[in-house]
Parts: sequence; C-alpha cells; structure tokens
Amino acid sequence: DARVTQTPRHKVTEMGQEVTMRCQPILGHNTVFWYRQTMMQGLELLAYFRNRAPLDDSGMPKDRFSAEMPDATLATLKIQPSEPRDSAVYFCASGFGRLAGGGETQYFGPGTRLLVL
Amino acid sequence: KQEVTQIPAALSVPEGENLVLNCSFTDSAIYNLQWFRQDPGKGLTSLLLIQSSQREQTSGRLNASLDKSSGRSTLYIAASQPGDSATYLCAAEIGGGSEKLVFGKGTKLTVNP
Repeated sequence: DARVTQTPRHKVTEMGQEVTMRCQPILGHNTVFWYRQTMMQGLELLAYFRNRAPLDDSGMPKDRFSAEMPDATLATLKIQPSEPRDSAVYFCASGFGRLAGGGETQYFGPGTRLLVL
Repeated sequence: KQEVTQIPAALSVPEGENLVLNCSFTDSAIYNLQWFRQDPGKGLTSLLLIQSSQREQTSGRLNASLDKSSGRSTLYIAASQPGDSATYLCAAEIGGGSEKLVFGKGTKLTVNP
C-alpha cells in the first residue's frame, strides 16, 4: 500500500532553533507539495515541485523557510530560525501532476505537528 | 484571488440521515473541484474530483456536484453512518496552468449513533 511518509510526526522546539521536516513521496510521483494547516488560516500551499524542480514557493516566507528535493525520494522543508507563529501541522502531498499528463489527485502524508515555544 | 468558503463549519446529525455539505468559490475559472476527508490527527484523503467540464461525480454513498457559473459545489452523503464523522474539505484547483489547490476551512461532521 503506497503512501506518503513524513518525519518527524511531532516536533517541539524552542524559538530560534532550526527545524527540518522530511517527506518521502510515493514512488513514481513527479509532483510534491508542501502545505501548512492552522486553525486560523486552514490549509495553505507553501511550495511545490515537479520533477524535483521548484515551481512555486510564493506561499512560503522566504527569509526563514526553504524547501528542497535532494533526490526523487526525499523532499525537505526547513525553518531557520523558527518562531512561535510557525506552530502548525505541515503536510506533504505527492501526485503525478496534471501538467505532466498524469492524474490530478494529491496523496497526503500524515503531517508533522510542530510546536515552537 | 480565489477564496473557498464552506458552510456550516460544523454539523451534527443522527445516524441514517441524508446530508449536504456546501462549498463556494469566488473565481469560476477553476480546473477542477475536489472533496477531501480529514480524520483527527491524520492527513487528507481524496474522496471525489470533479473536472470543470463535469457536473457531478459519485462514489458509493457520496455524490458531489459542481456549478461553476454560480461558484458552488455540494457533497451529498446518503444514509450517514458514525464512521462518516470527520472534517470534509473542498479545494478548487486554480486554472491557467497552475496546479495549486485553494482549500476551504472545512465542515466538521459528527454522525451520532
């Protein structure tokens, strides 16, 4: 049963510390998305990649957030330095990508619940 | 800027009832409209996807409709069961070459035995 995996599942850290979240997309998927979910804002798209290339990161605070795909099996989202307002659940999703000729459905991971004190 | 709204924010119904969840979007230039289910502490699971050229999609007891001209979509759940309790989110995929999904904040459904 193929699924998106995310680590860690939970993270508690102090303000100013670096946080790295990892995502393993479903094998063969060529599009990866990073979302953030909060009670106030709901689900927001932070960034997405196709074939490991960043296509859009306009939803991401550039000064402290960075997203990369070192290889096809790993996507990372880094926050440095972290702030209390970054506390949220961060989801990774993968898919075949409509514009690449594939299906549109995105498959979500279980999320990383981040608390910055 | 596309905005997606879901009303009501929460809904509680007795088991067996048929129900409708509502979703509205401000920009009709969407590529598709999707409905997801989210269980507490879990990720999202795709339920139904309606292409912009379609009017509805069905899966089991679920039926989703799309009216682009009025900027509305509904998710109909027949014969609700306690296992249907979850948060249901709709998302509009922005057209024009983007694959971005804009999500509503969801409707939290509770089905009471």
